[in-house]
Amino acid sequence: AQSVTQLGSHVSVSEGALVLLRCNYSSSVPPYLFWYVQYPNQGLQLLLKYTTGATLVKGINGFEAEFKKSETSFHLTKPSAHMSDAAEYFCAVKPDNQGGKLIFGQGTELSVKP
Amino acid sequence: GAVVSQHPSWVICKSGTSVKIECRSLDFQATTMFWYRQFPKQSLMLMATSNEGSKATYEQGVEKDKFLINHASLTLSTLTVTSAHPEDSSFYICSADENEKLFFGSGTQLSVL
Repeated sequence: AQSVTQLGSHVSVSEGALVLLRCNYSSSVPPYLFWYVQYPNQGLQLLLKYTTGATLVKGINGFEAEFKKSETSFHLTKPSAHMSDAAEYFCAVKPDNQGGKLIFGQGTELSVKP
Repeated sequence: GAVVSQHPSWVICKSGTSVKIECRSLDFQATTMFWYRQFPKQSLMLMATSNEGSKATYEQGVEKDKFLINHASLTLSTLTVTSAHPEDSSFYICSADENEKLFFGSGTQLSVL
């Protein structure tokens, strides 16, 4: 069965510091992988996704993620954190590469200190 | 990008009453919509897949008689929480599929007293 594990339910960084949010997955098929951001009391916004091709994926707001098959990882990074990046981040995998059904990780809350 | 509107954004109801939540795709047609439930500080759990013109597909452990889903048109899916109880209090989020891209509503916070 497919699953997603996000290491660390809460990450705190200083403004301007590197952001690294970890995500590991298990999938029986080549996965489609996603990162979403959720602001308080709001729905989810897609940051980026990996389907096929280049393993380094660039998304919105300066975020990027690298698909590493050997490590079954899809970690999210941003070189320099902004205060506005404070939010909940979810990694997700599409279990059958068809349709819109997604399996989400537990989420990581990112705090940015001034 | 496409817009998904979810209404209401929050609702408080008494135990035993039913609550309807609407999910609309505003600028595209969605034959498939999804309903998720999110507890505080936890991930989103898929409850059911809503299919236009046919019965919804429920995930294991989700009571279909408790959470009624209707997808009568290509732009509207509704989730009705019947005979709500305090344990049904949660954040409910819908998403709509446009060409295998998911767009999410802003969510509904349900509080059952």
